Amino acid sequence: ETTVTQSPAFMSATPGDKVNISCKASQDIDDDLNWYQRKPGEPAVFLIQEASTLVPGVPPRFSGSGYGTDFTLTINNIESEDAAYYFCLQHDNFPLTFGQGTKVEIK
Amino acid sequence: QVTLRESGPALVKPTQTLTLTCTFSGFSLSTTEMCVNWIRQPPGKALEWLARIDWDDDKYYNTSLKTRLTISKDTSKNQVVLTMTNMDPVDTATYYCARTRTPIGARAVYLDYWGPGTLVTVSS
Repeated sequence: ETTVTQSPAFMSATPGDKVNISCKASQDIDDDLNWYQRKPGEPAVFLIQEASTLVPGVPPRFSGSGYGTDFTLTINNIESEDAAYYFCLQHDNFPLTFGQGTKVEIK
Repeated sequence: QVTLRESGPALVKPTQTLTLTCTFSGFSLSTTEMCVNWIRQPPGKALEWLARIDWDDDKYYNTSLKTRLTISKDTSKNQVVLTMTNMDPVDTATYYCARTRTPIGARAVYLDYWGPGTLVTVSS
């Protein structure tokens, strides 16, 4: 089973900041990693697939990078509406496994 | 427009069997490439993938819970049902369903649409 370690668990940002969230896999997963955003009471939103491909309709301030074991979600010029819980998913092998999640607060 | 929604009891007693239903729209599980997954998240913990059922009735389970889980589908109702036996307080979690697509000749798209989740508390 692939363990995915996500950091930080919590972060506070000011509108306009650049935010980075990390996911590290315990073994090589190529680019088989997705990123999601979830707000309370709402379905999770699919942001990034295959580590770096922006899902259609997602604002371009979101971007993903990485390959192998180290991955990053970047939010450029963060906005108040980006306050949410973010998590990554590895789908290279079963069982699918997730990072522990990052709660992003906007000051 | 693809939507999914989970439903089921909010409270179950220890040792009982939990039955959850995922009702979806905007796609059909009779269509080649479509799959539905169940995932859960205990309070303060990471998400955990539980099971998946495919359009051709193939089923996949998290081996850590396999003996307790059964996933099934009713294509005519656009529903996927998950049962989990012998519930315990550690199974208290928000349970989610989500879609996966496995197009032939292309890379699979995992968990592209999710439901909002349903909180299940296990307590006597």
